[in-house]
This record gives sequence, structure tokens and C-alpha cells, in this order.
Amino acid sequence: DAKTTQPPSMDCAEGRAANLPCNHSTISGNEYVYWYRQIHSQGPQYIIHGLKNNETNEMASLIITEDRKSSTLILPHATLRDTAVYYCIVGNDMRFGAGTRLTVKP
Amino acid sequence: DTGVSQDPRHKITKRGQNVTFRCDPISEHNRLYWYRQTLGQGPEFLTYFQNEAQLEKSRLLSDRFSAERPKGSFSTLEIQRTEQGDSAMYLCASSLVAGGRNEQFFGPGTRLTVL
Repeated sequence: DAKTTQPPSMDCAEGRAANLPCNHSTISGNEYVYWYRQIHSQGPQYIIHGLKNNETNEMASLIITEDRKSSTLILPHATLRDTAVYYCIVGNDMRFGAGTRLTVKP
Repeated sequence: DTGVSQDPRHKITKRGQNVTFRCDPISEHNRLYWYRQTLGQGPEFLTYFQNEAQLEKSRLLSDRFSAERPKGSFSTLEIQRTEQGDSAMYLCASSLVAGGRNEQFFGPGTRLTVL
């Protein structure tokens, strides 16, 4: 299954958009891209998923490049409560990497 | 609250003892996953069930670990002869696999401390 690459950490100012990138260059044509986040001491929380088209829900937007080799999770107006580790995963076997630790600063 | 529950939330045990954890998934979900997570790391896949069938086990799952999902509902994870290296958060997740999609919903986890 495909492997993902994410930056280990990012900072974002409160109220600004947080853009979290993920590379998945070996993704197969039928594999979905999933994003989860984990706030300290809690279980991971599902955020959003997509296959080819961009997706938006009440939590975030997901932009997938046309070649599907990378994607970006967008939190449009980050709040302090969005501070968490964000995981990008592809396919159905759900192997988690180290994720991106997002810190939202006042 | 995702609808996935785990019990107990915390377990402290002495090395060499056996422990059992329970996971109750969302009722209509056909898949159930177990993960282990240590501090600073992402969740590590251990095993998963499709209904009552255990379809995959990680090589991390030594012979001291066993998981069951009788009747395709709740699941148990047992660790025999616990070691200090087993100390971790054990996470359960469930999903409804349909049309290639597989969004997982996680429980709060069981934190195991082996003394």
C-alpha cells in the first residue's frame, strides 16, 4: 500500500488558515486519502477523506492534486483547539506514520 | 464521543500478569481494528477483523497477544505474561467498509502500565 510523507511539525497563527501537506506519490488509483487528528491523550478523530475531487466538510477542506500524488488539508480559521497531531493515510489498511504536529499560537 | 467504547480506560498490572481489554464498536460497523500507541509515535496497527474473521495480524502481535471478536460484535484483546515493554495506549477503531471507503472511528483507548 501507499506510503505517506508529512512534515513533522508546523505552526499557525490563531484565526489564520492552516495548510497541512501530505505526499503520497505511490498511491493506487482506487485508494482514498484519509485525514485524522489526535489531540493529546485522546484517540484519533476522523476529519475528512477524498478520492479524486476536492472535498469540504464542517471541519476542513481537502485538496488533492490532479495526479493524486499529494494532498493538502486546510483548516480555514485555525483555533487553539486545533492544536493536535494530524495524520494523512492512504488506502484501507490504515498504517499511521508520525504525522504533523500542528501548533496553533495566539 | 464517537460511539466506540473501550474498557477499562486505565490498567495497571505487574509484570507477568495477564490482562484483557474490551472494545465495543459502532453496532453496524463490519470492521474492527486494534492499534498500539507509545508516547510520541503514531498508532501501530496490530490486527483487524471483518465481522468475526480475523483477517490480518501484524508481526508486532507476538504469541502473547490474542484477539477475538465473537459473533462479529465486541472484541477482546488479551495480553499474556505482560512485560514492561507492553506499556502503551491500546486503541480500538471500527468502520463500515463500503464502496472502497473505510473511515475509522476510534475509541478513547485503554492505557496499560506494566510495573
